[in-house]
Amino acid sequence: DAKTTQPTSMDCAEGRAANLPCNHSTISGNEYVYWYRQIHSQGPQYIIHGLKNNETNEMASLIITEDRKSSTLILPHATLRDTAVYYCIVRDPTTDSWGKLQFGAGTQVVVTP
Amino acid sequence: NAGVMQNPRHLVRRRGQEARLRCSPMKGHSHVYWYRQLPEEGLKFMVYLQKENIIDESGMPKERFSAEFPKEGPSILRIQQVVRGDSAAYFCASSPGLTMNTEAFFGQGTRLTVV
Repeated sequence: DAKTTQPTSMDCAEGRAANLPCNHSTISGNEYVYWYRQIHSQGPQYIIHGLKNNETNEMASLIITEDRKSSTLILPHATLRDTAVYYCIVRDPTTDSWGKLQFGAGTQVVVTP
Repeated sequence: NAGVMQNPRHLVRRRGQEARLRCSPMKGHSHVYWYRQLPEEGLKFMVYLQKENIIDESGMPKERFSAEFPKEGPSILRIQQVVRGDSAAYFCASSPGLTMNTEAFFGQGTRLTVV
């Protein structure tokens, strides 16, 4: 059973913010939320991760709800190069090796001019 | 600091030949993971290795596939007697350790085409 659910696809206009939702209603206390993306024909690229506080780095911001049952990845100013499949993953670093993760289908984000 | 290096990037093999895929983890990383991505499908876990040990091979096909991560040198994913269904992108990822709150980094993959 997948631990996360994401919309199948979404479009975003270039220069606008892209808000990618992820539901993880069964997340446990030790599980972090990780986001990766895969641009066509390339290896998955790490974006950001967090436990319960909001996080921001040079690529994106991660907003986690207070009950931790959902989160939103925000790409503040989408560019055409942000077109990719975005994966939301939950992982307990104390017990789950990266091999136990389910990448699922992710959200296909298409940034349009 | 070089990332995860995979080679070759593209590999063409005839049916029945052997394919060897190499993965050099990031410096300081002792855990390696192999994934396979069939055309138009998601990433599927194959095997998790530490130096000289296979930790989890639950995603590996029972026959023709093997993996190793020797004390010295890269991790190798070996596919014997390849068939057309083995055509896929094979990705390697590395991480510094199991119990660390860190991300795993992926290589750019090896695209295997069986003709």
